[in-house]
Amino acid sequence: EDQVTQSPEALRLQEGESSSLNCSYTVSGLRGLFWYRQDPGKGPEFLFTLYSAGEEKEKERLKATLTKKESFLHITAPKPEDSATYLCAVQPNTGNQFYFGTGTSLTVIP
Amino acid sequence: ETGVTQTPRHLVMGMTNKKSLKCEQHLGHNAMYWYKQSAKKPLELMFVYNFKEQTENNSVPSRFSPECPNSSHLFLHLHTLQPEDSALYLCASSQDPGDYGYTFGSGTRLTVV
Repeated sequence: EDQVTQSPEALRLQEGESSSLNCSYTVSGLRGLFWYRQDPGKGPEFLFTLYSAGEEKEKERLKATLTKKESFLHITAPKPEDSATYLCAVQPNTGNQFYFGTGTSLTVIP
Repeated sequence: ETGVTQTPRHLVMGMTNKKSLKCEQHLGHNAMYWYKQSAKKPLELMFVYNFKEQTENNSVPSRFSPECPNSSHLFLHLHTLQPEDSALYLCASSQDPGDYGYTFGSGTRLTVV
């Protein structure tokens, strides 16, 4: 069964304290893996798409990486404005389904 | 402003009421979606429209009825809902159905009492 699991469920960091969020997935074949950021009271905002193992994408303090079984979202020297819920989603290479994880709620303390 | 506008932002309705959620996009996208987001659960795809035609109905109860009069507007008509239908309802659009770089709206927070 296709599945996406994100960990940890919640993460509190001091400003400047780097860390990583994990998204592990089980799909028959991967067409793409997507990261979104969601602020309270808003819809998810697209961050990255990764398509193949070894691929990396960067945006400001965020870097997403992909292996055959998981993706990491690395946050370097986070700031309070990075506080949000980060969602991962995968698209299998068969069918039109698109599976989301439950997200990691990140809080960065000044 | 993300390019996808949803109204209303908040809605409280009784179980016997009928109400509608509205979504509008001016991004020139061809595909539009309704998603349900409940606490501690993954986003659930409800409906997919491509060029105004419904291409997917993800086993959604008939008390939810979508309408897509044109490629810029999407509605979700609600009637005789249950308290467990309380959730954040998100509209999204993308250039094509196979393109999952979605643009989401801010959602409608629905409470069924």
